[in-house]
Amino acid sequence: AQSVSQHNHHVILSEAASLELGCNYSYGGTVNLFWYVQYPGQHLQLLLKYFSGDPLVKGIKGFEAEFIKSKFSFNLRKPSVQWSDTAEYFCAVIFLSGTYKYIFGTGTRLKVLA
Amino acid sequence: NAGVTQTPKFRVLKTGQSMTLLCAQDMNHEYMYWYRQDPGMGLRLIHYSVGEGTTAKGEVPDGYNVSRLKKQNFLLGLESAAPSQTSVYFCASRDGYNEQFFGPGTRLTVL
Repeated sequence: AQSVSQHNHHVILSEAASLELGCNYSYGGTVNLFWYVQYPGQHLQLLLKYFSGDPLVKGIKGFEAEFIKSKFSFNLRKPSVQWSDTAEYFCAVIFLSGTYKYIFGTGTRLKVLA
Repeated sequence: NAGVTQTPKFRVLKTGQSMTLLCAQDMNHEYMYWYRQDPGMGLRLIHYSVGEGTTAKGEVPDGYNVSRLKKQNFLLGLESAAPSQTSVYFCASRDGYNEQFFGPGTRLTVL
């Protein structure tokens, strides 16, 4: 079955630390990939997306993600986190074959300590 | 553009009462979704629609019904509310193979 995994459920970092959040998906051919952020008390908003081309994509607020096709991964990174990055982060994948399902990972809750 | 709007923002129900949550989008999107979000459980898909007049079950459809009579609206109904349906409900829409746009959410408490 098609699935999306986020292995880190909770991450705590100090300000200025580097961030990497993992996202893996099951094999399913061609995919479009997304990272969303949900700040406390708010709805999900798009951080960045990858459809094709350069596997290193840059998003808003200094976030970037790298698509590694051989590893079925789309990890989110930020070189230096800020207290305002405290939020929940969701990876999502749409599988462009078969069921064309749009699947969200279970989310990673990030807390940044000032 | 208002994007995706949800009505109401908050609601408190007693067990057994019914209610309808309204989702509206002004982006002419084909796909619409209803999710519930509970602490520690991420987003769970309740029902979705791939176009006007169509609906389909997601992973947690029991106790909910939906309708998509107009392309811009997606209604979620609770016929007989239960405390287990206390949650935050999000509606979303998308077009093509693009990102989903989310509404602000409805916080529902069932006593």
